[in-house]
Amino acid sequence: DQQVKQNSPSLSVQEGRISILNCDYTNSMFDYFLWYKKYPAEGPTFLISISSIKDKNEDGRFTVFLNKSAKHLSLHIVPSQPGDSAVYFCAAIRSTSGTYKYIFGTGTRLKVLA
Amino acid sequence: EAGVAQSPRYKIIEKRQSVAFWCNPISGHATLYWYQQILGQGPKLLIQFQNNGVVDDSQLPKDRFSAERLKGVDSTLKIQPAKLEDSAVYLCASSSGNPRNEQFFGPGTRLTVL
Repeated sequence: DQQVKQNSPSLSVQEGRISILNCDYTNSMFDYFLWYKKYPAEGPTFLISISSIKDKNEDGRFTVFLNKSAKHLSLHIVPSQPGDSAVYFCAAIRSTSGTYKYIFGTGTRLKVLA
Repeated sequence: EAGVAQSPRYKIIEKRQSVAFWCNPISGHATLYWYQQILGQGPKLLIQFQNNGVVDDSQLPKDRFSAERLKGVDSTLKIQPAKLEDSAVYLCASSSGNPRNEQFFGPGTRLTVL
């Protein structure tokens, strides 16, 4: 049961253009979402997060949008740079009786072409 | 600030053998996570520690996997006996304070079971 889905396994974008990575979730109990970036042979590193009480969070070139009614979030990278080429994971957190479940999506491999 | 350390980085064993992985989290981080990442999938939480107590081990195959975090600092994850399907990258992560805080990941241990 994949509660957090990234339906595009890969994405190619020209340098300078916008990259849009999508993530869908099924459980309305998720109340916090994060994006991580992963380079080969390294662990994931945190990129940006958003609480369910917001619909947008921005940090430099990175913006995350949350549409709770559609159970959908997206990461926008503008402008895209070759160094952004990596695998991007979305993660969702839900709290249940004081414990927190942290669930990752399957990842999208972004390739930014110079 | 030193990051999350993991060893070994790579391990190749035959099925039915035993293997152990070690993780040293960021100093002061109370929460430690072990994830299994199978090729093409997102990280799957195996076990979460808060200090030296287990918070969540619902997805840990307890018939063959075990983990401990003595003294609430470093941790070991053991597989005994290993199966072919255990081939994966095992990631350790740590975080501090609020459960919604970002997790800091180590580089992972790539396990190949032949």
